[in-house]
Amino acid sequence: GESVGLHLPTLSVQEGDNSIINCAYSNSASDYFIWYKQESGKGPQFIIDIRSNMDKRQGQRVTVLLNKTVKHLSLQIAATQPGDSAVYFCAETSSSNDYKLSFGAGTTVTVRA
Amino acid sequence: SQTIHQWPATLVQPVGSPLSLECTVEGTSNPNLYWYRQAAGRGLQLLFYSVGIGQISSEVPQNLSASRPQDRQFILSSKKLLLSDSGFYLCAWSVFEGQQYFGPGTRLTVT
Repeated sequence: GESVGLHLPTLSVQEGDNSIINCAYSNSASDYFIWYKQESGKGPQFIIDIRSNMDKRQGQRVTVLLNKTVKHLSLQIAATQPGDSAVYFCAETSSSNDYKLSFGAGTTVTVRA
Repeated sequence: SQTIHQWPATLVQPVGSPLSLECTVEGTSNPNLYWYRQAAGRGLQLLFYSVGIGQISSEVPQNLSASRPQDRQFILSSKKLLLSDSGFYLCAWSVFEGQQYFGPGTRLTVT
């Protein structure tokens, strides 16, 4: 079946650098995407979302880019900090699926001091 | 503001024993509620979701069941636990399509 996946399982980033986490999705009907951050032993925390009628959305230190042509989603974190170390999940959903979320396996981000 | 609670935080149960995990939401009315399971190093698998009291949809056949006795209460149960039921169980809520907020989770170990 269609699913959401992440390009790389791990990412090591120097503190202060920018991070880019990528996600590929295969359901062309997906119209809503969310990025979550999960720290060890905790529940996922909402970071930012984007709807399919947009190609870019910015938050505090984070930017999500959506390329519907190639079904690609990315999360950019500016000036990465030690507190950004976590597992990041992308999730996709659509009205055709009753807006139930499908999650990828996650990318583990480690920030080097 | 809205908050979501789960308990217990951790649980160790023998195979064949019953299970009851509880989730409650505060600060909102008529939320959609969800139960997920997360295996170690993996993504989240949707187990059940509910759009109202007594309304439960099951996503995967399994040894678990869910109930929603009150608007903001969601319970995950099992009559007899299996080893494969071990995992990190997460409850989530939403009030409109898509955006979901997660609770702190319950770590279940079946021995």
